[in-house]
Amino acid sequence: AQSVAQPEDQVNVAEGNPLTVKCTYSVSGNPYLFWYVQYPNRGLQFLLKYITGDNLVKGSYGFEAEFNKSQTSFHLKKPSALVSDSALYFCAVRIMDTGRRALTFGSGTRLQVQP
Amino acid sequence: DAGVIQSPRHEVTEMGQEVTLRCKPISGHNSLFWYRQTMMRGLELLIYFNNNVPIDDSGMPEDRFSAKMPNASFSTLKIQPSEPRDSAVYFCASSGEDRSFNSPLHFGNGTRLTVT
Repeated sequence: AQSVAQPEDQVNVAEGNPLTVKCTYSVSGNPYLFWYVQYPNRGLQFLLKYITGDNLVKGSYGFEAEFNKSQTSFHLKKPSALVSDSALYFCAVRIMDTGRRALTFGSGTRLQVQP
Repeated sequence: DAGVIQSPRHEVTEMGQEVTLRCKPISGHNSLFWYRQTMMRGLELLIYFNNNVPIDDSGMPEDRFSAKMPNASFSTLKIQPSEPRDSAVYFCASSGEDRSFNSPLHFGNGTRLTVT
């Protein structure tokens, strides 16, 4: 089955430290990969996407993600975490080689940034 | 732009009752998605429309669920009859899809449904 996996339910990091939220994918075609963030009682907000080209993509709020085809990963990163980054993060994939075009989301990773 | 607007924000109903959730997508967007979020199952795609036409409804749990999009600015998700296991947060999202299919989704703030 084509899917994305987020192996960590929660990531804890101290403010000012770099953060990484992991995502791996399993697809048979060319994936379009996305990261979204969800704050309490809100809908998901788009952070960044990888479609093609440069493997390092930059997004909103200082986040970036690196596409690694050999490791089938698309980890989200930020050089210096803020307390306000604490939220639920979702990786998502859109499979372009099938008829089903909608996004499939991972299970989510809760990021907790401690002051 | 007001974003994707969902109503109501909260709905509490008794088992067996009909529930209707509403969504107004962002003006100009031609794709609309309904997702359901629970702790156990995460985010699940229920159905999506393109240009008001249902494209994929394979995620709709069973015949008790139905969705319509009578025009480009309005969609409903109906559950009849509702059951306690339908309790979840239901999200509507829209996007301005083109042939590249790489447009991000814009989510509403969701409807929290509780069926007792």
